Amino acid sequence: EVQLVESGGVVVQPGGSLRLSCAASGFTFDDYAMHWVRQAPGKGLEWVSLISWDGGSTYYADSVKGRFTISRDNSKNSLYLQMNSLRAEDTALYYCAKDRRGENTPDYWGQGTLVTVSS
Amino acid sequence: QSVLTQPPSVSAAPGQKVTISCSGSSSNIGNNYVSWYQQLPGTAPKLLIYENNKRPSGIPDRFSGSKSGTSATLGITGLQTGDEADYYCGTWDSSLSALFGGGTKLTVL
Repeated sequence: EVQLVESGGVVVQPGGSLRLSCAASGFTFDDYAMHWVRQAPGKGLEWVSLISWDGGSTYYADSVKGRFTISRDNSKNSLYLQMNSLRAEDTALYYCAKDRRGENTPDYWGQGTLVTVSS
Repeated sequence: QSVLTQPPSVSAAPGQKVTISCSGSSSNIGNNYVSWYQQLPGTAPKLLIYENNKRPSGIPDRFSGSKSGTSATLGITGLQTGDEADYYCGTWDSSLSALFGGGTKLTVL
C-alpha cells in the first residue's frame, strides 16, 4: 500500500524559511517522479513542483520559482520542499504526491501538512 | 483563474447522472492525458480517472472519463449522497508545469 506522510508544516513569519518533508513507503520510490501540490484554505488545488526519479530534472510553478526548491533522497525514500522568502499567499495545506508514470500528474496523495505564513 | 476551466458547481438528484467539463487548449489537454480527482470534505484528493478514461482498481464503473480535442468530461451515473465532493481535472502543459482545473463542487440534492 502506497503511503505518503508529510511533515514540517508550522506557523512562520513573512520572509521566513521552512523545509517540508515527505516519507514514502509501499512502492519503489526511486522509480517515480514526485510532486508537491498545495491548497489554500477554501480554495482549489495548485501544483507547486515536480522532481524526476533521480532528481536530475525539476519543474516549478511560476508563483514559487526562485523561492522554493524541491529535492529528494532516494536512500531515505524521502521528498523535500525548501521554502524561502515566504509570503502570506503561500499559506496552504501542502500535499506530497506520487507521479503516475508517463503522465506527469499525481496518482497517490499524502494527507498534507499545513503551512501558515503570518506575523 | 485556472488555465483549465471547470464549472464551479453542478447538482443532480440521487440516482441521476451528472457530467463535469474541463476545457483547456492544445498546449495542455489537446496533447496530454487528463486525470480526474475526487476530494471529499476534509480529505486528500483521490485519483478517479487516468489516461483520459481509465479507472484505477477500486473505482466503480459509475465513474467515466472522456476527452475530445481540448476538452475532457467526467461522468458520474447512479448518483449517491456519498459522491458529494469537489472534483478536479488535471493534466500536463507544454510550459513544463502540471495544471489543475479550478474544481467543481457536486451537490446531490
